[in-house]
Amino acid sequence: SQTIHQWPATLVQPVGSPLSLECTVEGTSNPNLYWYRQAAGRGLQLLFYSVGIGQISSEVPQNLSASRPQDRQFILSSKKLLLSDSGFYLCAWRLLGGSYNEQFFGPGTRLTVL
Amino acid sequence: AQSVTQPDIHITVSEGASLELRCNYSYGATPYLFWYVQSPGQGLQLLLKYFSGDTLVQGIKGFEAEFKRSQSSFNLRKPSVHWSDAAEYFCAVGLGYQKVTFGTGTKLQVIP
Repeated sequence: SQTIHQWPATLVQPVGSPLSLECTVEGTSNPNLYWYRQAAGRGLQLLFYSVGIGQISSEVPQNLSASRPQDRQFILSSKKLLLSDSGFYLCAWRLLGGSYNEQFFGPGTRLTVL
Repeated sequence: AQSVTQPDIHITVSEGASLELRCNYSYGATPYLFWYVQSPGQGLQLLLKYFSGDTLVQGIKGFEAEFKRSQSSFNLRKPSVHWSDAAEYFCAVGLGYQKVTFGTGTKLQVIP
């Protein structure tokens, strides 16, 4: 069966510090991968998605970046965090082959920037 | 542009009462529709999905949703709510082969 992992689960970082959040998927090959941010009352905001290794699409211009160094690994990064980067970050994966395929979500990372 | 609207930010129901959460979408083509549930501090779990066929879709945990093309709606229902159903619920539309657009969510509170 497929599983998705995110770490760390929680993170408190000072403004201006770097960020690296990791997401890995097990039990599937060549998934679509997604990074979302969830802020209170704003639903899920799609940040990045990837359809393959090294292929990243950015949805929202900001100081975050994403990379996919391996098929089942998706990393969200920042060189300098802002206060506005605080939120709940969710990684998700989706099978290729049909737009009716649902996304499966990881447990999330709670990021607090102070 | 494609969009998903959940008009109710917060709903409170009594345990045992029926529930209906509203979802309206704006999308030019045949939509693929989903309902997810999120418990506090957790990821999202799929409740049900619709992409073709019978417009009344059964999901997990006793939930169902009905697709009404004429009203551009995909409302989620449950005949009798349990205290464990308290969570946030998200409606979503599948867009092409890559992306899904989510509504802003409805928080459900269940009172004894």
